[in-house]
Amino acid sequence: DAMVIQNPRYQVTQFGKPVTLSCSQTLNHNVMYWYQQKSSQAPKLLFHYYDKDFNNEADTPDNFQSRRPNTSFCFLDIRSPGLGDAAMYLCATSRDDGRTVDTQYFGPGTRLTVL
Amino acid sequence: DQQVKQNSPSLSVQEGRISILNCDYTNSMFDYFLWYKKYPAEGPTFLISISSIKDKNEDGRFTVFLNKSAKHLSLHIVPSQPGDSAVYFCAASARNAGNMLTFGGGTRLMVKP
Repeated sequence: DAMVIQNPRYQVTQFGKPVTLSCSQTLNHNVMYWYQQKSSQAPKLLFHYYDKDFNNEADTPDNFQSRRPNTSFCFLDIRSPGLGDAAMYLCATSRDDGRTVDTQYFGPGTRLTVL
Repeated sequence: DQQVKQNSPSLSVQEGRISILNCDYTNSMFDYFLWYKKYPAEGPTFLISISSIKDKNEDGRFTVFLNKSAKHLSLHIVPSQPGDSAVYFCAASARNAGNMLTFGGGTRLMVKP
């Protein structure tokens, strides 16, 4: 089945220790997104890739970086996690040809704990 | 400024009855609306969507209604089942704004057997 996969599902890191979350997709979608969701809140978009073009949201902290080495994979790097970065991180994908609106499909998420 | 609002944080419904989840938006540029369902410790699952050129879209037990003049949409689930118990997010996007989704805060639906 075509899908969005996130690894790991649960990640524990220490305050200030860099961490990388990964996302892969078999949908062959050209757009990939990273969201942060804190409990009982709406998902908040951090950034997205439209093909290879990186688009950062204005209020995304510099502590958050992303890489997309190819169409299928996208990584979220948190350079120095703080306690406030503990959250669920969601990856999503969509197909956007510039004309057609398409649905975003989400992975299962990675829950990050910062000790 | 919340552009998409779900004013009911929770809703409790008896199994077999109708569940109605509501969502309001303020940005008149939004032209595509979606509902996602989210179970604990999982990512949101796409449920149903509607384009602004329509006022109703139906898929099985799920129907979404859009009232553009009121900037309001609703999700109807008939009949409700215990497995429908989850958090439901509405989301909106504007084609001329890169199709980025703006989410509401979610409504927790509890369907009682």
